[in-house]
Amino acid sequence: EVQLVESGGGLVQPGGSLRLSCAASGFTFSSYWMSWVRQAPGKGLEWVANIKQDGSEKYYVDSVKGRFTISRDNAKNSLYLQMNSLRAEDTAVYYCARWLEGYDKSLFDYWGQGTLVTVSS
Amino acid sequence: SSELTQDPAVSVALGQTVRITCQGDSLRSYYASWYQQKPGQAPVLVIYGKNNRPSGIPDRFSGSSSGNTASLTITGAQAEDEADYYCNSRDSSGNHLEFGGGTKLTVL
Repeated sequence: EVQLVESGGGLVQPGGSLRLSCAASGFTFSSYWMSWVRQAPGKGLEWVANIKQDGSEKYYVDSVKGRFTISRDNAKNSLYLQMNSLRAEDTAVYYCARWLEGYDKSLFDYWGQGTLVTVSS
Repeated sequence: SSELTQDPAVSVALGQTVRITCQGDSLRSYYASWYQQKPGQAPVLVIYGKNNRPSGIPDRFSGSSSGNTASLTITGAQAEDEADYYCNSRDSSGNHLEFGGGTKLTVL
């Protein structure tokens, strides 16, 4: 059974940093692109970042570029999101998701339950 | 702001058919995927590609696409289908992803 379990969320002051983790199990982690998707309270879903199987390609939504870094450790079956210079508008539930891509498909087939990040003084 | 546009809210009578649409230029090049999200829960994939359903998704859910519009159709809506629905696709660059703003479906 595929499982994605996020951790590391919490309350942080504006300008602070936080590192999210996602522990993956039930599939060959190193064979899949992985993503972070967030959802601000009462708002819609927003894709944050993607990382290729070997970490050689990473893509970010413009609003986090230069502040957030996605990474992975295939030996530990883990995905990470280092978040620096946090702003109030980064407050959201952050989901880890597995991304399947191909010439005729793009989908998030498995999601974690999310971890809440609150940026406030 | 999202480049994929969805109606904020749609309603359907129990047992009737409803179509939820998603518009965007990138949909001329890429298929959309659709997600159902109920309050307090993570999103669930319901449709992807041309018209594919993951295992466990009822066959009353179907997808289609024409031009710059992708559609999710629920044929014979049930009370448990009441949820928020989001479309997702690559953006025009192909390297980034984007979600529509979401459609709140009410089953009357």
